[in-house]
Amino acid sequence: KQEVTQIPAALSVPEGENLVLNCSFTDSAIYNLQWFRQDPGKGLTSLLLIQSSQREQTSGRLNASLDKSSGRSTLYIAASQPGDSATYLCAVRGWETSGSRLTFGEGTQLTVNP
Amino acid sequence: EAGVAQSPRYKIIEKRQSVAFWCNPISGHATLYWYQQILGQGPKLLIQFQNNGVVDDSQLPKDRFSAERLKGVDSTLKIQPAKLEDSAVYLCASSPSPNQPQHFGDGTRLSIL
Repeated sequence: KQEVTQIPAALSVPEGENLVLNCSFTDSAIYNLQWFRQDPGKGLTSLLLIQSSQREQTSGRLNASLDKSSGRSTLYIAASQPGDSATYLCAVRGWETSGSRLTFGEGTQLTVNP
Repeated sequence: EAGVAQSPRYKIIEKRQSVAFWCNPISGHATLYWYQQILGQGPKLLIQFQNNGVVDDSQLPKDRFSAERLKGVDSTLKIQPAKLEDSAVYLCASSPSPNQPQHFGDGTRLSIL
């Protein structure tokens, strides 16, 4: 059974700092890995998706890496801003024939202080 | 493009009562998902539909939870009778097909007294 762990559970940083969020998973046979953002009282917004054959994906100030063999992914946020404050969730998709089941971590709650 | 619509946004009921949630996916999305997100945890898949057929309901507590997707568009999730541990946010998501990215609604926050 796939298990996803995110460290740290909460993080508070001053504005402008670069930061790294960590995600680990127990079963390396994944189809892809996705990072989501969740604002309070809202649903999930997809940030980056990395296919199992890829090593990293970039979007603006965000960079996600994937090391499938070690079961790890990191989300790097450059020059953090107060608007980045949210909960960040990592999810992996397995190779079920029906596709699409996502297994989520518990998230990292990020606060960026002005 | 309109997003995934869910209603109600909030619901408060007493234990042993019944409750129903409604989801309208993005137009044309064949795959629909219901997730349960308990406070402080990541979402857990309850049920996945492909058109109006169930693909995965292995984590759905079938003694009290039921879901349907008539005509392959809107979906309802029902809990009867509710227990205290059902307090959570219920998220609906949809995608064009099973392996494409999922789009989430804002959820229904359920509180059981």
